[in-house]
Amino acid sequence: DGGITQSPKYLFRKEGQNVTLSCEQNLNHDAMYWYRQDPGQGLRLIYYSQIVNDFQKGDIAEGYSVSREKKESFPLTVTSAQKNPTAFYLCASSIQQIGRGELFFGEGSRLTVL
Amino acid sequence: AQKVTQAQTEISVVEKEDVTLDCVYETRDTTYYLFWYKQPPSGELVFLIRRNSFDEQNEISGRYSWNFQKSTSSFNFTITASQVVDSAVYFCALSEVSRRNTPLVFGKGTRLSVIA
Repeated sequence: DGGITQSPKYLFRKEGQNVTLSCEQNLNHDAMYWYRQDPGQGLRLIYYSQIVNDFQKGDIAEGYSVSREKKESFPLTVTSAQKNPTAFYLCASSIQQIGRGELFFGEGSRLTVL
Repeated sequence: AQKVTQAQTEISVVEKEDVTLDCVYETRDTTYYLFWYKQPPSGELVFLIRRNSFDEQNEISGRYSWNFQKSTSSFNFTITASQVVDSAVYFCALSEVSRRNTPLVFGKGTRLSVIA
């Protein structure tokens, strides 16, 4: 089945550690996105990518990094510089240009910093 | 800057009642898209509808209907005869595409609880 796969679903991290969240899609979509969701805050954009080897910062990129070496993959690294990393992270993709098409979402990764 | 406001944080209704979720947006662009998504307890967002700024026709899909009014910058969502399975968080979102394509900006969401 086509879709977006995020892993791990749950992740615990100690303070000061970097952690990488995986996002893989087999929908042949060009654009991919990372959003962060906090209770009562809605979804906030971290990074997005229109094509391979290119990505742009979103509204809350500080403390995060991404790469887009393959069309299917858009991993997100939460670095130790991120002050409050505990959150629910959602990866998405879209077939059309940024903003013009609906997003298809993965099931999310819940990160807890201990 | 574009902005989406969902003033209702939480709504509770009894099954079979109708319920309307409000969405008000701000944009200076003449061309934009509006979206609604549903997030059930499982966490994955499910796309419900996309509407472009030039299409003000209301839309109905089963028990769901959407009312787009540019004059009031609103894109409200109504569920008729609500069911327990409608319980979820609902998000309204906006993207601008006139000058520079922008990713979707989401409202803070409205949590709907339908009680049997």
